[in-house]
Amino acid sequence: EDQVTQSPEALRLQEGESSSLNCSYTVSGLRGLFWYRQDPGKGPEFLFTLYSAGEEKEKERLKATLTKKESFLHITAPKPEDSATYLCAVQYTGRRALTFGSGTRLQVQP
Amino acid sequence: EAQVTQNPRYLITVTGKKLTVTCSQNMNHEYMSWYRQDPGLGLRQIYYSMNVEVTDKGDVPEGYKVSRKEKRNFPLILESPSPNQTSLYFCASGSVGETQYFGPGTRLLVL
Repeated sequence: EDQVTQSPEALRLQEGESSSLNCSYTVSGLRGLFWYRQDPGKGPEFLFTLYSAGEEKEKERLKATLTKKESFLHITAPKPEDSATYLCAVQYTGRRALTFGSGTRLQVQP
Repeated sequence: EAQVTQNPRYLITVTGKKLTVTCSQNMNHEYMSWYRQDPGLGLRQIYYSMNVEVTDKGDVPEGYKVSRKEKRNFPLILESPSPNQTSLYFCASGSVGETQYFGPGTRLLVL
């Protein structure tokens, strides 16, 4: 069964304290891996798409990387406005659906 | 502005009363999809559509119907809602194999 596992479930950081979120997936048949940010009561907001091992994408304080079995979302010097739930989703070859992880709830304190 | 819209945003109904949640996108995307989000279960796909008149089941299709008569619209139909369909629903659209963009969500309560 296709699985996407995110860790940690929740993370509390002080402003400026860098950290990483993890997304691990079933190894075979990755077509694409997606990172989204979701604020409470709102729809997921697209951040990054990664397609192959070794690929990296950056946007402001966020950097996403991909290996053959997991992806990391690195947050550098976070600010309180980075507080949100970060979702990872995977599309496997031969399947149209996205399989989502359960998310990491990030809280950045001033 | 490129966007996915859903209506209504909030809905309270009773068991068995048919309802429709509309979804519309203005980005000319071929692919549209419906998800439900429940605490502890994450986002799960209900139905998706690859193009007009082409729809298929996702992971949790039971109790739902969809139609795709026009490229921009993809309504979700609950013929006989039950309390276990109380959830937060999201519509998404994208180009096939590419990023999906999500709507703002519809919060449904079935009494």
